[in-house]
Amino acid sequence: GDSVTQMEGPVTLSEEAFLTINCTYTATGYPSLFWYVQYPGEGLQLLLKATKADDKGSNKGFEATYRKETTSFHLEKGSVQVSDSAVYFCALRSGGGNKLTFGTGTQLKVEL
Amino acid sequence: DTEVTQTPKHLVMGMTNKKSLKCEQHMGHRAMYWYKQKAKKPPELMFVYSYEKLSINESVPSRFSPECPNSSLLNLHLHALQPEDSALYLCASSQNHDRGEGYTFGSGTRLTVV
Repeated sequence: GDSVTQMEGPVTLSEEAFLTINCTYTATGYPSLFWYVQYPGEGLQLLLKATKADDKGSNKGFEATYRKETTSFHLEKGSVQVSDSAVYFCALRSGGGNKLTFGTGTQLKVEL
Repeated sequence: DTEVTQTPKHLVMGMTNKKSLKCEQHMGHRAMYWYKQKAKKPPELMFVYSYEKLSINESVPSRFSPECPNSSLLNLHLHALQPEDSALYLCASSQNHDRGEGYTFGSGTRLTVV
């Protein structure tokens, strides 16, 4: 079955540091890949997506590239801010189904 | 309108109570979902409705009863819950069977069972 593996958190960074959160996946066929962000006490927000190999999703300074050869979709940001502190979930949706498979989430803490 | 609206935002209920969670969207999405999320965990899928019909039930106990009255509304009826059912309940919607589209989530109902 489909699965998503994310790096363990929490990840603690200083403001303006470079961020990478690793995500790898296992899926049949050609899934679409997503990053969601969840701020404390809130629901999930779609951060970015990529629907085919070599696509790059980007939003709010975050980027992720769909790498089919390494089955990866790592999230990056060049300079994090305190306001980026949240939990980040990698997810995939495959085939024609209505099922989104989530990774376990990675908590990011950004300090001044 | 690009939102999924959930009410109430917070709910405290006793183990003998009956309550309902409500979810509404006006994006024309024909797939709607209920998820349960415990602290520091990813959301767990409970139910999927596709064109107002229940298409997936992830072996959820019968004390949770979903209902989809129309294409914009989704309810979750709660009865005889247990303290371990305390969690954040998230509603989401999406284009049906379009793998290229993500889900739009509501902000959730924080449920406490006492």
